[in-house]
Amino acid sequence: DAGVTQSPTHLIKTRGQQVTLRCSPKSGHDTVSWYQQALGQGPQFIFQYYEEEERQRGNFPDRFSGHQFPNYSSELNVNALLLGDSALYLCASSSTGYSNQPQHFGDGTRLSIL
Amino acid sequence: QKEVEQDPGPLSVPEGAIVSLNCTYSNSAFQYFMWYRQYSRKGPELLMYTYSSGNKEDGRFTAQVDKSSKYISLFIRDSQPSDSATYLCAMSELASGTYKYIFGTGTRLKVLA
Repeated sequence: DAGVTQSPTHLIKTRGQQVTLRCSPKSGHDTVSWYQQALGQGPQFIFQYYEEEERQRGNFPDRFSGHQFPNYSSELNVNALLLGDSALYLCASSSTGYSNQPQHFGDGTRLSIL
Repeated sequence: QKEVEQDPGPLSVPEGAIVSLNCTYSNSAFQYFMWYRQYSRKGPELLMYTYSSGNKEDGRFTAQVDKSSKYISLFIRDSQPSDSATYLCAMSELASGTYKYIFGTGTRLKVLA
């Protein structure tokens, strides 16, 4: 049973560029949440997708956008990259978006901005 | 004041010790409480998931929730070097029809052989 998978593992970009990160949820899960984890900090909630719609959003600017596909996989897009966007980006999946089923995480994409 | 407070450590203990990890919170709306373990260069791994006040045990791990004091704990018995990792507490509340997770900063634990 495959868990949450994320790609790519690592990514290096320069300021001003755009990036797309990808996530495949755990089998049987239909809800995907994205988090940003800076070094030495806990994950910070970016947004959550369910039924291909953004259900909730954390305190992140519009430069951060996402998408969920009919197969429940998801993408996180970040435009106009800033040095401060360097972090580990985590995807978490869960089942049945309206109940609190625990979230399961992938190993993340480590994004470095030069 | 942060909604969830967690001592970042690091916490160093000898092998076989009982480890106590703690988080406090300020939001009475939190309903579910989780503990995750995160190894270096890996994503968080769910360890414990609780709802009500009281204790929940799973092998060497015991999660404790005290809603009246807004305090949660994770106890690790017979700690092993393989338990060396960062431990994150997380709490969730119902907001806008879905559950939103708030994480602590994580406590770094090192178990010495």
